Amino acid sequence: HLAQSGAELKRPGASVRLSCKASGYSFTDYYLQWVRQAPGQGLEWVGWINPNNGATKYAQKFQGRVTLTRDTSMSTAYLEVTRLTSDDSAIYYCAKEDQPYLYYYGVDVWGQGTTVIVSS
Amino acid sequence: QSVLTQPPSASGTPGQRVTMSCSGRSSNIGRNYVYWYQQLPGAAPQLLIYKSSQRPSGVPDRFSASKSGTSASLAISGLRSEDEADYYCAAWDDSLSGYVFGTGTKVTVL
Repeated sequence: HLAQSGAELKRPGASVRLSCKASGYSFTDYYLQWVRQAPGQGLEWVGWINPNNGATKYAQKFQGRVTLTRDTSMSTAYLEVTRLTSDDSAIYYCAKEDQPYLYYYGVDVWGQGTTVIVSS
Repeated sequence: QSVLTQPPSASGTPGQRVTMSCSGRSSNIGRNYVYWYQQLPGAAPQLLIYKSSQRPSGVPDRFSASKSGTSASLAISGLRSEDEADYYCAAWDDSLSGYVFGTGTKVTVL
């Protein structure tokens, strides 16, 4: 199970930090993927984090503006997005990788999503 | 930006069979497994098919999928009203070193 933090309303130029708390499995054995969905749009991959060692990979369009971290003691992963614009308004999902220790299969469990609204 | 191409819509009457395609490249579908997700209105996506053709426990056998070359397909047989949803395919892309999703297919039960 993945439980995500609540909705956020931010001004343009601000930053936002979202959380994703895992339970019911070994947090450090499975990569976590982050995906976002703009209103009325499809799914877009943001990046992954290896909870075991903190290694990360980001989609090119988010490089330099998105940071994925984790706290293994809390079985929680975090997504931070800086320099927010209205284009960042979306539902952000965390999702657990299907296979242990691998990042290139697919995800099997999704969080409920966190809505981020960027508006002045 | 979606890299995998799906038809925008598909429809059928209750009991009918509906299929949808997912077209990609050698760097994604051609080399990696395809996963399918169902997204009901207002809800998070849910896993429907994993490793190109496997159904997780709890997913009805009305749902089936296959992969051939750089394309994949999902079929829903015995269509039911609760199947109205958006369906997305996805795969890892070796060239992009990233996860790519399909454009999504909206299924309507007439």
